[in-house]
Amino acid sequence: AQSVTQLGSHVSVSEGALVLLRCNYSSSVPPYLFWYVQYPNQGLQLLLKYTSAATLVKGINGFEAEFKKSETSFHLTKPSAHMSDAAEYFCAVRRQDNYGQNFVFGPGTRLSVLP
Amino acid sequence: EPEVTQTPSHQVTQMGQEVILRCVPISNHLYFYWYRQILGQKVEFLVSFYNNEISEKSEIFDDQFSVERPDGSNFTLKIRSTKLEDSAMYFCASSRETEQYFGPGTRLTVT
Repeated sequence: AQSVTQLGSHVSVSEGALVLLRCNYSSSVPPYLFWYVQYPNQGLQLLLKYTSAATLVKGINGFEAEFKKSETSFHLTKPSAHMSDAAEYFCAVRRQDNYGQNFVFGPGTRLSVLP
Repeated sequence: EPEVTQTPSHQVTQMGQEVILRCVPISNHLYFYWYRQILGQKVEFLVSFYNNEISEKSEIFDDQFSVERPDGSNFTLKIRSTKLEDSAMYFCASSRETEQYFGPGTRLTVT
């Protein structure tokens, strides 16, 4: 079975500061890992994904994440926060060996960006 | 770019009524899903559908829920007799391989 934890339900950063959103997973088989962003009253948009190629994954809007197997982590970072980054961020995990398997989502981290 | 669409965007219904939420997945996708998100909570898996049958379902997906792919394009979620606790945002998703693409959601309000 898979599970996802996200440390910090709410993270606040100043505009221009580093963004770090933490995600740890557990999986009995090699996982695929994803970060999704949800803006207020909108659906889930894929930010980036890890699918067992490069461990450092670059996504949209300047975000990137690094898969660290030894730490079972997939933390999301962005060097410089922008006001438009304020949203809810969800980490998700899925088995590699089953294309049809559902995602397991973490509880989400709400990112606030202060001027 | 192709996208998943959902209708309606907002559905208000009375307790005990049946509702049908509709989704049009991306056309060449093979796997279809429903998730729900109660306000302020995390996204929870309901059911996955492949090859015209349910492939997996969660404990949330009880006998009050059903899914159907009535034609080659639509994918529906039916709740037979809605309860207050069914109020949530319902997301449809589809996939072909690795990532899932999500629709904008239907907000269901049960009064």
